[in-house]
Amino acid sequence: AQTVTQSQPEMSVQEAETVTLSCTYDTSESDYYLFWYKQPPSRQMILVIRQEAYKQQNATENRFSVNFQKAAKSFSLKISDSQLGDAAMYFCAYRSGNFGNEKLTFGTGTRLTIIP
Amino acid sequence: KAGVTQTPRYLIKTRGQQVTLSCSPISGHRSVSWYQQTPGQGLQFLFEYFSETQRNKGNFPGRFSGRQFSNSRSEMNVSTLELGDSALYLCASSYTGTGINTEAFFGQGTRLTVV
Repeated sequence: AQTVTQSQPEMSVQEAETVTLSCTYDTSESDYYLFWYKQPPSRQMILVIRQEAYKQQNATENRFSVNFQKAAKSFSLKISDSQLGDAAMYFCAYRSGNFGNEKLTFGTGTRLTIIP
Repeated sequence: KAGVTQTPRYLIKTRGQQVTLSCSPISGHRSVSWYQQTPGQGLQFLFEYFSETQRNKGNFPGRFSGRQFSNSRSEMNVSTLELGDSALYLCASSYTGTGINTEAFFGQGTRLTVV
């Protein structure tokens, strides 16, 4: 079974600074997807970024980028120029690449606080 | 394009009762998954439906069941409610087709409180 570990329950960062959230995972599969989701107080899970395991290039979405280390099974999220609206719970998630398997396995989350 | 809609947003039920939650996926999405979120257990996968068939199932007792209709809308039912069933229930939809996998889009959830 796959597992996802987020070792930082809470993080804080000054507005406009950069912060990195950590995530490690365990799997025996070679084809899979990794995601970072954001859950603000409104509770809706919002996709931040996705990474296909077969792609060597790290995904980037505006101020959000990942450092995907496949051999180390590490998938960290870097948020640059942090903004007040970035405050939320961040979840790392794994999904198998097998077609027909939509199950997401989530980490325990990291609560990110932005300090004005 | 409308997002994933879950109803109701809030529910209060008594132990022993049953409850039905509803989820309308994004138009064109045929896969609907359900998750339970609690402070103690985090986010846990309940089950996934695709074309009216349960395709994957998590490790939950048989009191938790679901179904999907021909328009892809899904319902989740919990019978004989227990205090421990109090949670945020999240629904997610995704478009899946041969060779195509996209990310899951979530609804705002249904907050169930069992008293």
